[in-house]
Amino acid sequence: EAQVTQNPRYLITVTGKKLTVTCSQNMNHEYMSWYRQDPGLGLRQIYYSMNVEVTDKGDVPEGYKVSRKEKRNFPLILESPSPNQTSLYFCASSQRAGANVLTFGAGSRLTVL
Amino acid sequence: AQSVTQLDSHVSVSEGTPVLLRCNYSSSYSPSLFWYVQHPNKGLQLLLKYTSAATLVKGINGFEAEFKKSETSFHLTKPSAHMSDAAEYFCVVSVPGGSQGNLIFGKGTKLSVKP
Repeated sequence: EAQVTQNPRYLITVTGKKLTVTCSQNMNHEYMSWYRQDPGLGLRQIYYSMNVEVTDKGDVPEGYKVSRKEKRNFPLILESPSPNQTSLYFCASSQRAGANVLTFGAGSRLTVL
Repeated sequence: AQSVTQLDSHVSVSEGTPVLLRCNYSSSYSPSLFWYVQHPNKGLQLLLKYTSAATLVKGINGFEAEFKKSETSFHLTKPSAHMSDAAEYFCVVSVPGGSQGNLIFGKGTKLSVKP
């Protein structure tokens, strides 16, 4: 089944403890992206990747890192999480950037205490 | 600059009545436009997309949207709401060369359906 898989789905952590949210797609998509969703703000893009080894900042990249060493994986790294990073995170992919349809993961709900 | 505005943050309808979710966009280019739906505790799913073919686009679950260039609008409609339509809906515009990897999301409209 074509899908985007995120892990973990739920996580409660403490300020400053590094964490990684993994994202993997099995559709050979070139484009991948991370979003955070907060009430009243919709989806805001954190980072995106047009292809392997090509990443770029979205609207809200502060406090996050990403890497794209392989086509299928696009992990989101929080080196030193803070409470304002408590949010619902979505990974998405598409065949390429632009008018292609995005396939979303099921979401990762992160709470930073 | 490109932007997308969903005119209502919350819409409430009764089951069996029409649904109208409004979206306006601003773009210097000919955009591609999408509507996505997010059911509670789920990821986003594509409802329909417009890519410069027919201006009236039909999507899944009886939804459709009409692209009106003169009004820069892409409103989502459904003739008769069902309880299962209760969800959050996002209007998205895709433009070439945009800074967000080419996609701009609206802030969402939450649709409630009353029995």
